[in-house]
Amino acid sequence: EAQVTQNPRYLITVTGKKLTVTCSQNMNHEYMSWYRQDPGLGLRQIYYSMNVEVTDKGDVPEGYKVSRKEKRNFPLILESPSPNQTSLYFCATRGNALLDTGYTFGSGTRLTVV
Amino acid sequence: KQEVTQIPAALSVPEGENLVLNCSFTDSAIYNLQWFRQDPGKGLTSLLLIQSSQREQTSGRLNASLDKSSGRSTLYIAASQPGDSATYLCATSGGSYIPTFGRGTSLIVHP
Repeated sequence: EAQVTQNPRYLITVTGKKLTVTCSQNMNHEYMSWYRQDPGLGLRQIYYSMNVEVTDKGDVPEGYKVSRKEKRNFPLILESPSPNQTSLYFCATRGNALLDTGYTFGSGTRLTVV
Repeated sequence: KQEVTQIPAALSVPEGENLVLNCSFTDSAIYNLQWFRQDPGKGLTSLLLIQSSQREQTSGRLNASLDKSSGRSTLYIAASQPGDSATYLCATSGGSYIPTFGRGTSLIVHP
């Protein structure tokens, strides 16, 4: 089954403690991205990657890092989380233009930073 | 820069009604348009994907149309059910692969 898997689903952490949210896909998609969703602000893109070792900033990259060392994985790293990073996070993928099935989203990670 | 607007922002209807959700976009040079459903606190589930060369797509009780020249798409839900209650989002994408999302329409279908 084609899917995007995020872990963990829920995470409560303290300010300043480094954390990583993982994202893995089994569809061999080149494009992967991270979003955060906040009430009243909609979906905002954090970072995206067009392929292995190619990453770019989205609209709200401050406080986040990503890496794309292999095609299937695109982890989101918060080096020093702060309470304003409390949010619902989504990973999304998309295939290439020859087999475009649109965007596929993970189930989300609810992060609370206290 | 592409802007996507969804009207109405919220909708509450009795069960059985036929519904139309609207999505408008400012830049008609899109590659495709995708409709999603999101339940509270959950991920986005793809409902329909319309390529720029297509006029509509259908899946069960759902029908989505696309009019690029006027910058509009509509999602038609026939015979609505309480299980259809969710937020519906549309997203356009151009050649850059970076989508632009609307803020969504929050739908409640009451028995």
